Amino acid sequence: QQQVKQSPQSLIVQKGGIPIINCAYENTAFDYFPWYQQFPGKGPALLIAIRPDVSEKKEGRFTISFNKSAKQFSLHIMDSQPGDSATYFCAANGKAAGNKLTFGGGTRVLVKP
Amino acid sequence: DAGVIQSPRHEVTEMGQEVTLRCKPISGHDYLFWYRQTMMRGLELLIYFNNNVPIDDSGMPEDRFSAKMPNASFSTLKIQPSEPRDSAVYFCASSSHSLGRKLFFGSGTQLSVL
Repeated sequence: QQQVKQSPQSLIVQKGGIPIINCAYENTAFDYFPWYQQFPGKGPALLIAIRPDVSEKKEGRFTISFNKSAKQFSLHIMDSQPGDSATYFCAANGKAAGNKLTFGGGTRVLVKP
Repeated sequence: DAGVIQSPRHEVTEMGQEVTLRCKPISGHDYLFWYRQTMMRGLELLIYFNNNVPIDDSGMPEDRFSAKMPNASFSTLKIQPSEPRDSAVYFCASSSHSLGRKLFFGSGTQLSVL
């Protein structure tokens, strides 16, 4: 019940395209859904996060869409750039778990120039 | 703040040897996490501490793995004896309950066991 399932495993888009990464969860106690971005040789870094009381959140070119009834959330990268090429992880957390995050399997995104 | 500091950045060792990975969390953070990253299994949580106390070590793969946090500014992850299947990138992360649930990751230790 702690799993977070992420798809696809990898994604290739042309510059300006909109990569979309999807995640699904089972635990209804989850109330915090962050996305982390990881560049080669670096640790993951928080990109954007959403709580279940909103259906969408935007920060710059990154948008999270959240569907509470379906227990799914997704990341859209608008007007993608080669510099967005990275591995993206979705995650989830519930208050009872303290600050412990359950991560999805990751999606490797390549944005071609 | 310098962020989460991990050492060494790279470690190459032979099977059977003891390996110790080190982590200095961000000052004032009360949570510390050890993760392992591999292509096959992604990011796995090994163990986490709250206020220096181990809370959940269910992700520690075997008795060969042990972790300690003797004080708020230092933690170690030890593998003894090491095996080739332990080869991975090991990340330490810290966070502060009072500042939300954002995790700050170190740059990781690339471990290769030959």
